[in-house]
Amino acid sequence: DGGITQSPKYLFRKEGQNVTLSCEQNLNHDAMYWYRQDPGQGLRLIYYSQIVNDFQKGDIAEGYSVSREKKESFPLTVTSAQKNPTAFYLCASSISGVSYGYTFGSGTRLTVV
Amino acid sequence: GENVEQHPSTLSVQEGDSAVIKCTYSDSASNYFPWYKQELGKRPQLIIDIRSNVGEKKDQRIAVTLNKTAKHFSLHITETQPEDSAVYFCAASSGQAGTALIFGKGTTLSVSS
Repeated sequence: DGGITQSPKYLFRKEGQNVTLSCEQNLNHDAMYWYRQDPGQGLRLIYYSQIVNDFQKGDIAEGYSVSREKKESFPLTVTSAQKNPTAFYLCASSISGVSYGYTFGSGTRLTVV
Repeated sequence: GENVEQHPSTLSVQEGDSAVIKCTYSDSASNYFPWYKQELGKRPQLIIDIRSNVGEKKDQRIAVTLNKTAKHFSLHITETQPEDSAVYFCAASSGQAGTALIFGKGTTLSVSS
């Protein structure tokens, strides 16, 4: 059964610690994306990748890092430099480019205390 | 870069009424405009999309219209039902390789019976 999986669903971390959010897809999609969702703010683009070993910054990339070593995987690291990391993080993928719409993962809710 | 404005932020209607959500975009190169529905606690799901060579598209009770000259597009839901209650997001993109969807801030639709 094809899909996009984010783990864990809930994540708690202490302030000052780096944390990595997992995103895996078995849809054979080329492109993958990370968005942050805050109440009343919509979905804001953090990073995206069109092909393996290549990625681009989105509108709010500061304090985040990504890698794309495999087509199926696009992990997001929230670093201690991110000023307000508590949020809901959504990963998405698309066939090739954006004109075919996204398939979203179920999200990871990160709470930093 | 692209900027998408979405209005209203909240919308309450009676069951059976119509609902209209409007979005404007800034980049005249944008040519792909999807709409996503996000139910409480769930991932966003694509409900309809339109490309710039089409002015209107309809799928049962939902329709989207596009005015490229004015750079705005709208979602129309007719005969609303309680299960239409959700957050709706519009988005825009040029659809070219190396781009990503830019989302509006969302509209919370409440349909009361």
